[in-house]
Amino acid sequence: EIVLTQSPGTLSLSPGERATLSCRASQSVSSSYLAWYQQKPGQAPRLLIYGASSRATGIPDRFSGSGSGTDFTLTISRLEPEDFAVYYCQQYGSSSWTFGQGTKVEIK
Amino acid sequence: EVQLVQSGAEVKKPGESLKISCKGSGYSFTSYWIGWVRQMPGKGLEWMGIIYPGDSDTRYSPSFQGQVTISADKSISTAYLQWSSLKASDTAMYYCARLNGYSGYDFDYWGQGTLVTVSS
Repeated sequence: EIVLTQSPGTLSLSPGERATLSCRASQSVSSSYLAWYQQKPGQAPRLLIYGASSRATGIPDRFSGSGSGTDFTLTISRLEPEDFAVYYCQQYGSSSWTFGQGTKVEIK
Repeated sequence: EVQLVQSGAEVKKPGESLKISCKGSGYSFTSYWIGWVRQMPGKGLEWMGIIYPGDSDTRYSPSFQGQVTISADKSISTAYLQWSSLKASDTAMYYCARLNGYSGYDFDYWGQGTLVTVSS
């Protein structure tokens, strides 16, 4: 099973700042199989990025994804108040899906 | 509009059985895989398993194989997650989610979640 490790665990930033979230896989992952989700308290997760770099429908362009192999990044170019949430990466491999443990982006 | 609507919160005792549901609408239910995801209190997301309602082909995470049963009734566009004997450790929020028909490897629509509480 591929293990995804996200860092940092918590990111403390101010609105307007840039957020860079990391997701590292225990073995190589196809870029097509890597996604990012946002989850706010009391809500279901929301798909942000699929295929490592493609934005899902309705996702603002301040969200971008990049990476390949074992290292992937989610970047939020300028944080808006509604972006403070927990972010998860997810991969597919061998008929199985796994999630990272999450990165919390909190207001500094 | 694509929607996944899950059944309401449940409070059960250890050893009891339970079946929760996820009803899809606004799309061809039989043409998209539906997955189930667990979120224990204050924790992250865990993939449990997935079903293709068109032919009921089902896959389970090794962590959940034998612990739960996933099924679907395509005649009423509903997927299910069931337990035969609940444990306190099954206390969690459970989400159903549709597998993205375009990319095929991520979940593009999610239900609102069903909170299951198991306590004596």
